[in-house]
Amino acid sequence: DAGVIQSPRHEVTEMGQEVTLRCKPISGHDYLFWYRQTMMRGLELLIYFNNNVPIDDSGMPEDRFSAKMPNASFSTLKIQPSEPRDSAVYFCASSFSGRGAYEQYFGPGTRLTVT
Amino acid sequence: DQQVKQNSPSLSVQEGRISILNCDYTNSMFDYFLWYKKYPAEGPTFLISISSIKDKNEDGRFTVFLNKSAKHLSLHIVPSQPGDSAVYFCAASPLSYGKLTFGQGTILTVHP
Repeated sequence: DAGVIQSPRHEVTEMGQEVTLRCKPISGHDYLFWYRQTMMRGLELLIYFNNNVPIDDSGMPEDRFSAKMPNASFSTLKIQPSEPRDSAVYFCASSFSGRGAYEQYFGPGTRLTVT
Repeated sequence: DQQVKQNSPSLSVQEGRISILNCDYTNSMFDYFLWYKKYPAEGPTFLISISSIKDKNEDGRFTVFLNKSAKHLSLHIVPSQPGDSAVYFCAASPLSYGKLTFGQGTILTVHP
């Protein structure tokens, strides 16, 4: 398996622009997670899905952030409008409930820079 | 409120010696604990885990110890190798599946 795939790997955009990050989880995994890593806050969970349904979005910082999972093999995290404080590395991870779902497999991340 | 804490930002060890990384937690609802390793420009990689019904779990050179009364866990790497140089995160979750809460990470450097 190719593992969790994220695109783009790097994104540089100007303040106010819309940003869309993409994720393809590992085939057969039924949980999908979006994380953000910053120096100040470390690795924090933004939202997670089970069987394509959002379960907990309490980590989403504000209404500018939205996430969707239209099918089992694709998810997006959208920021509109983007702000410089959104600059971070965004990780997508997936896991399988049959193994307790704790062991999450992370993608390589998208480094977002908002100028 | 940081529920999972790794108080040592960095650790430097000589090759062949033991590396001990520590983690403390405050939430008594946590029942499952994991360690992840992260290399630069990569996502975290699952390393080893332990549930609250155990106090020790081994996997090759890696051993995780859990002290529930102290709300403390540690990761031992023996012997340490230069390829172990990475950032190590501990994470915790309640038994009924929930989200992982991560510590801030410890940078381990193993010198040849």
